[in-house]
Amino acid sequence: EAQVTQNPRYLITVTGKKLTVTCSQNMNHEYMSWYRQDPGLGLRQIYYSMNVEVTDKGDVPEGYKVSRKEKRNFPLILESPSPNQTSLYFCASSFGGRGREKLFFGSGTQLSVL
Amino acid sequence: QKEVEQNSGPLSVPEGAIASLNCTYSDRGSQSFFWYRQYSGKSPELIMFIYSNGDKEDGRFTAQLNKASQYVSLLIRDSQPSDSATYLCAVTGSARQLTFGSGTQLTVLP
Repeated sequence: EAQVTQNPRYLITVTGKKLTVTCSQNMNHEYMSWYRQDPGLGLRQIYYSMNVEVTDKGDVPEGYKVSRKEKRNFPLILESPSPNQTSLYFCASSFGGRGREKLFFGSGTQLSVL
Repeated sequence: QKEVEQNSGPLSVPEGAIASLNCTYSDRGSQSFFWYRQYSGKSPELIMFIYSNGDKEDGRFTAQLNKASQYVSLLIRDSQPSDSATYLCAVTGSARQLTFGSGTQLTVLP
């Protein structure tokens, strides 16, 4: 089944404790992206990757890191989480090129930073 | 001013009616326009996209684009309770990045 898999679905952590949210897609997509969704603010892009080893900042990159060592994986790293990073996170992927906006989303990760 | 604006709703329509969802955008260089549907507790899914001025129909859904007025709309004909969801408008601006609106919550009443 074609899908974008995120883990974990729910995560509660404390301020400053490094965490990684994993994202994997099995559709051979070139483009991958991370979004956070907050009430009233919609989906905001954190980082995106056009292809392996190519990553770039989105609208809200502060406090986040990403890497794209393999085509299928695009983990999101919070080196020192803070309470303002409490949010619902979505990983998404697409074929890239003109169709890169036709995104397939993962199931989401609800993160709470205490 | 937000780059992509939507009325947050909630918008309620009776079953069988036409639901009209609207979206305006600020970047005149925007090229591509998308509608995503997000059920409560689920992830967004793409339901429509439109690139040119005018209407594009797909089943009960019609996307309408007016670049001169900088708005895009989504019409849902014969609305069903299963259409109850939040509808996200997304626009690709001149910088080629996709920007989402905050969404309109639609409730279709049986």
